[in-house]
Amino acid sequence: DGGITQSPKYLFRKEGQNVTLSCEQNLNHDAMYWYRQDPGQGLRLIYYSQIVNDFQKGDIAEGYSVSREKKESFPLTVTSAQKNPTAFYLCASSMGLAGGEARYNEQFFGPGTRLTVL
Amino acid sequence: GENVEQHPSTLSVQEGDSAVIKCTYSDSASNYFPWYKQELGKRPQLIIDIRSNVGEKKDQRIAVTLNKTAKHFSLHITETQPEDSAVYFCAAAFTGGGNKLTFGTGTQLKVEL
Repeated sequence: DGGITQSPKYLFRKEGQNVTLSCEQNLNHDAMYWYRQDPGQGLRLIYYSQIVNDFQKGDIAEGYSVSREKKESFPLTVTSAQKNPTAFYLCASSMGLAGGEARYNEQFFGPGTRLTVL
Repeated sequence: GENVEQHPSTLSVQEGDSAVIKCTYSDSASNYFPWYKQELGKRPQLIIDIRSNVGEKKDQRIAVTLNKTAKHFSLHITETQPEDSAVYFCAAAFTGGGNKLTFGTGTQLKVEL
């Protein structure tokens, strides 16, 4: 778990405001992911990035945006277009293909950011 | 896309008993099946995983079984202890498809003294 950090731990936002959640990793991982966790719904994939300067939409990308300008960083912006943004947001990273099959898929999670819209 | 169903949503066992959590998946191409444990207020952590070329894998008190034909896999915890109390998530992925994990909805396991 150590090596992937998220900030802030708690975040409050007024309706209509955009907010950016930070995710940083020093594990030298190629791949990074953003999940949203709601009670009773498990983890749902928002966006993921397999390599720097490239990212793809996950299952619930509407109202969110990301960038991947550096290998270590994958910030998530929750825009005002996201109708129900209050949730727990988890960032994860994995070695990707560079790790070989044994390590390819293990995703390591950050501690999460709890976003509340007031 | 992939769909993963997980049962039960809650499970209560007595300390020392076994616990079994079951998941089914829809995409026959999926070939990687991890299980994550999430304690209250903490991040999910991988506890065991299995690939489609293996039918069973064990690690001390935990084991996972996979039935590719039926497209289901299960987590087995033996000799449960209070520290096993947590939410457990199963997931499935096709490793040729960008390492995207699809998660089940989770099982709240409570081990009672």
